Amino acid sequence: EAGVAQSPRYKIIEKRQSVAFWCNPISGHATLYWYQQILGQGPKLLIQFQNNGVVDDSQLPKDRFSAERLKGVDSTLKIQPAKLEDSAVYLCASSLEGRSPLHFGNGTRLTVT
Amino acid sequence: QKEVEQDPGPLSVPEGAIVSLNCTYSNSAFQYFMWYRQYSRKGPELLMYTYSSGNKEDGRFTAQVDKSSKYISLFIRDSQPSDSATYLCAMKHPNFGNEKLTFGTGTRLTIIP
Repeated sequence: EAGVAQSPRYKIIEKRQSVAFWCNPISGHATLYWYQQILGQGPKLLIQFQNNGVVDDSQLPKDRFSAERLKGVDSTLKIQPAKLEDSAVYLCASSLEGRSPLHFGNGTRLTVT
Repeated sequence: QKEVEQDPGPLSVPEGAIVSLNCTYSNSAFQYFMWYRQYSRKGPELLMYTYSSGNKEDGRFTAQVDKSSKYISLFIRDSQPSDSATYLCAMKHPNFGNEKLTFGTGTRLTIIP
């Protein structure tokens, strides 16, 4: 079974620039999550999708972050404009359904200078 | 006060020793408890998944939950250098449909050969 795929692995941008991350979940997984992991901290949920609908985006900074999941499969997370405090690893995870264990990708490490 | 507290370490122990990792939490609504292992530059992978109080054993790993004390533990027996990683505790409410995990900050563990 192929795991959760994310790209790019690394991204360096200047503040006020925009950036986008891509995630391809495990085939057949209906639930997709984006987490932000700041260095030295545990992951924090940004947004949860069930198929292509949003279940929870209460911790997503909506003035600068946006996410979509077209056709209930792949997902993109965008930051525009980026701030220094957005430097973190952005992890995508998927699960078969809401109550199943999460499977994480290896993340995209974002550095904002 | 954070909902989940975890000593960040670092923790170094000799190969073969028993390792004890712990988390405390403040929200009595948490019912599901997990331990994730995260290698450097990788995503978290699920090690143990337990519901409510009690013990669960899987090979060299044992997870304990004490809901009365709001305290969970992960024990690693016969520790190996390959166990060197960051260990994250995570927990969630029984709110089906919204599977938001709350993570601890992670404990960085090094097993010394």
